[in-house]
Order: sequence, then C-alpha cells, then structure tokens
Amino acid sequence: KQEVTQIPAALSVPEGENLVLNCSFTDSAIYNLQWFRQDPGKGLTSLLLIQSSQREQTSGRLNASLDKSSGRSTLYIAASQPGDSATYLCAVNSNYQLIWGAGTKLIIKP
Amino acid sequence: EAQVTQNPRYLITVTGKKLTVTCSQNMNHEYMSWYRQDPGLGLRQIYYSMNVEVTDKGDVPEGYKVSRKEKRNFPLILESPSPNQTSLYFCASSLSPQGQVRYNEQFFGPGTRLTVL
Repeated sequence: KQEVTQIPAALSVPEGENLVLNCSFTDSAIYNLQWFRQDPGKGLTSLLLIQSSQREQTSGRLNASLDKSSGRSTLYIAASQPGDSATYLCAVNSNYQLIWGAGTKLIIKP
Repeated sequence: EAQVTQNPRYLITVTGKKLTVTCSQNMNHEYMSWYRQDPGLGLRQIYYSMNVEVTDKGDVPEGYKVSRKEKRNFPLILESPSPNQTSLYFCASSLSPQGQVRYNEQFFGPGTRLTVL
C-alpha cells in the first residue's frame, strides 16, 4: 500500500533563505506527483505537477524534482518570502487515487 | 471562471441528522472525488467517481454515500452523522485520473468544515 511521508513536519526560516521540502513514497509505480499549498482556513492550491516520466518542473521561484526509483521528491523554494508561509502538501497519484503526505508547515520570518 | 464549488462552507449539526454537502465543477471533468482532512492524518479519500453513474470507494468510505447522476455534480451524503465525522472535507475534480500530460492535475474546492455534536 502506498505511503507518503513529508519531513520535516514544520520548518521556520528567515526571509530570503533558499529551502527544500521533502516528500518520500514507498511504491514507485506512480502516474505523477503533485505539490500543493494550503493556507489556514482555505482550500488547496496546486503548485506543480510532475509526471512519472519527468525529473523536474519549475514555476517561478519553485522547483520540484522527482526521483521515482528512490521514491523521493523535493520542493525547492528560492529566496523565500513571508507570503510563502503555508502548509505544503505532496500527493502521489497512483491507482486512481491521490495518496497524501501529512504536510510541512512552513513559516518564513520577516 | 473554472472552479470547483462546495456548499455549505461551514456546518454544525447533531448526531444522526442527515446532511448533504454539494460539489459542483464547471470544467467538464470526468473524475471527481471527496477527501477528508484531519490533523496529523493528512487527506484521505472517501469516494471517487470516474464518470456519470460510476463511483467507487476510497480509503475511508464508511458512513458516507455519494451519487453521480450528472457530470458536474458529486454530492456527499451523511445519512447518520457521528462525531467522528467532524472534519474538513474537500471535493476535487480532474479531466481524468490518468491520461495525457497536463490533463490529470486535480482541482480542489474551498473545503467544508463540518462539526457533528
């Protein structure tokens, strides 16, 4: 059964730093992996989608990588800003379902 | 505007009183699903639907029902709610669960916070 883990559960860094969020999964048979952002009391915003055949995707200051064989994905945030503060979730698409990690709560200190 | 809508956004109810949470999408998506989000557990899928009149159980279907009579709507029904169904619920849709590149991104509604007393 697919399991998705995100480490760390929480992260606090000063503004301007580059940072990496981690996502690992147990079964490499996936269709794709998606990174989401969740703000308190709000819904989920899709950030990046990486297909199983891809190695990385970029959007602005965000870069997501995927290493299917090792069951890992990273979300790199460059030049962090206070507005990046949110919970970041990764979800693996396998067998008609999204399997979710519990998220990393990110706080960017001004 | 392409979107997934859910109603109500907030609901407080009592044990045993039947309720329905509506979900609608205007993107002509085939695939729709319901998730619940609980602290420390992440999101878990309740039910999903591959197309009209096709539904299937996710990881935590007990205590829930769904129907897919029209492509755009996918209501979640709690026949006899219990306090352990207090949660934040999300509806999502995508063009298809698999499929061509760029077509299987999932879009989420704003969430429904349900409290069962």
